[in-house]
Amino acid sequence: KAGVTQTPRYLIKTRGQQVTLSCSPISGHRSVSWYQQTPGQGLQFLFEYFSETQRNKGNFPGRFSGRQFSNSRSEMNVSTLELGDSALYLCASSVDLHASSGANVLTFGAGSRLTVL
Amino acid sequence: GEDVEQSLFLSVREGDSSVINCTYTDSSSTYLYWYKQEPGAGLQLLTYIFSNMDMKQDQRLTVLLNKKDKHLSLRIADTQTGDSAIYFCAERTYSSASKIIFGSGTRLSIRP
Repeated sequence: KAGVTQTPRYLIKTRGQQVTLSCSPISGHRSVSWYQQTPGQGLQFLFEYFSETQRNKGNFPGRFSGRQFSNSRSEMNVSTLELGDSALYLCASSVDLHASSGANVLTFGAGSRLTVL
Repeated sequence: GEDVEQSLFLSVREGDSSVINCTYTDSSSTYLYWYKQEPGAGLQLLTYIFSNMDMKQDQRLTVLLNKKDKHLSLRIADTQTGDSAIYFCAERTYSSASKIIFGSGTRLSIRP
């Protein structure tokens, strides 16, 4: 069973540019969550999608957006990049994070490391 | 509010037990999780505990939950060099069921 796949693994951008990151969840998983990981802030929740709908959003500016497609694949976009956006962006999938039964654990991808110069 | 806190570093001698602690603020936590992150990798689930349990054991791992004090701990018995990693505590709550909140992670280093 393939795991969560994130592309690209590494990328370098300059300030003001925009970036799109992609996440393919485990087959059968319909919930996709995104996190930003930085040394100073730890893991910060960005948003969660289920069936193409954003169900939850973290405290990030509107420059950070995402979407989910009918096949559950998800993308996130960061526009007008700033130096502080340099981070590891992690995607995680689960069957349905909102379901009331079961632990609904997240399975993480290896991440996309973004460097903004 | 939602907040999960952990100490940043822990150093233990090889063969000893490691105890990583975590506190959380949301009393409506349903599940609490422990994840491990090795260098250059994403997070890997180690174990989880439902909020109506106070202990769970899985081979070398023991999770203790004190719901009254909102305190969670992970004990790793017979710590090995391969246990060197960052360990994250996380919670899922009734109030934000579609969001899992993570602590800042505890970096565990092993001394020979």
